[in-house]
Amino acid sequence: NAGVTQTPKFQVLKTGQSMTLQCAQDMNHNSMYWYRQDPGMGLRLIYYSASEGTTDKGEVPNGYNVSRLNKREFSLRLESAAPSQTSVYFCATNRDRGVDEQYFGPGTRLTVT
Amino acid sequence: GENVEQHPSTLSVQEGDSAVIKCTYSDSASNYFPWYKQELGKGPQLIIDIRSNVGEKKDQRIAVTLNKTAKHFSLHITETQPEDSAVYFCAAIITGNQFYFGTGTSLTVIP
Repeated sequence: NAGVTQTPKFQVLKTGQSMTLQCAQDMNHNSMYWYRQDPGMGLRLIYYSASEGTTDKGEVPNGYNVSRLNKREFSLRLESAAPSQTSVYFCATNRDRGVDEQYFGPGTRLTVT
Repeated sequence: GENVEQHPSTLSVQEGDSAVIKCTYSDSASNYFPWYKQELGKGPQLIIDIRSNVGEKKDQRIAVTLNKTAKHFSLHITETQPEDSAVYFCAAIITGNQFYFGTGTSLTVIP
């Protein structure tokens, strides 16, 4: 039981390049989330998926797109990376949006030069 | 939306002493308050939580208190150990809505 996994762990991009961050969970949870973590700013919600087939914007969605591929997988795409997107990205899940405890993946450290 | 403030941003204590981290929130509808511990290079991990119908909760060396009237809640770690060194985050949630996190407290326990 791996819980929440994320790939890759590290990535360096040049400005304008695109990439997709992958997240998978084996907890049979319905809801999945993408956060970014920046120094002094805590965790900020980018997008979430309350259930398979649905996605919604969070606090900081600009420059990102998401896909809820199936119940297990939720990907985050940067179409044209910018230095302001340098951050650590965390995927999280919980059983349902109305059930509170969230479980986090190990994170992806992204640097955009 | 909700606004969560967390203090202090850094905290150093001697091993065996107690550590206290405080958070305030703005939305009186918030009803769930978890605390997460994040070790270097890892994702946040839930260590304790409290719901709005409870004033205090304890789990071995850690405890959380909630004052709904004042809209603040605190994490208390007693008999600190070097392995308690980490970044701690509070959060406030209205069930069914998004999590609002504090900005984190970097705790260092000095052996």
